[in-house]
Amino acid sequence: RKEVEQDPGPFNVPEGATVAFNCTYSNSASQSFFWYRQDCRKEPKLLMSVYSSGNEDGRFTAQLNRASQYISLLIRDSKLSDSATYLCVVNRADQGGKLIFGQGTELSVKP
Amino acid sequence: DGGITQSPKYLFRKEGQNVTLSCEQNLNHDAMYWYRQDPGQGLRLIYYSQIVNDFQKGDIAEGYSVSREKKESFPLTVTSAQKNPTAFYLCASNTRTNNINQPQHFGDGTRLSIL
Repeated sequence: RKEVEQDPGPFNVPEGATVAFNCTYSNSASQSFFWYRQDCRKEPKLLMSVYSSGNEDGRFTAQLNRASQYISLLIRDSKLSDSATYLCVVNRADQGGKLIFGQGTELSVKP
Repeated sequence: DGGITQSPKYLFRKEGQNVTLSCEQNLNHDAMYWYRQDPGQGLRLIYYSQIVNDFQKGDIAEGYSVSREKKESFPLTVTSAQKNPTAFYLCASNTRTNNINQPQHFGDGTRLSIL
């Protein structure tokens, strides 16, 4: 079983749709959590950190449930420019801050 | 502008050849990392360094070597022992604030192929 698992994609949604991505992690030593966005053939870019209380940045909302070891990302009012692969990432403080990446969920927003 | 610079953007390796990928950062970050990404897969950690003159193996270190002689620089050498080097290589860096690891920021990567 992979340490970080994401919803298999791809997700194909129309513009304006709301889409949710789920992610689970298996190691309770995971300290901090992030969502990254990766465009085709580009480097990953930080989308947002994920806090226990939940956090929102415009159309994006991230949630963390430590008890269930579950992370989510909600995108409201999808735009064409949201099309990308979304990576769930956990930080293993017990391993020198090593990042563990999920395999990514591809999102395609259609007109 | 602060950031992470990787070079070259594209690199070709011949059989039996060692090649070195450059990574430089001017963010004053202590920690630097090298990842490999294969098509359709997540990133895998090759090596990381939390301080100058010190580095640790990641999950797939075999066939690779690194050095950290300066804070700003963390070059990766892909040796001839790495039999399947074709991949997208990403360098990242971060720092720690209040004993919490901050997000890692990435360079724009080097694509390595075998000739």
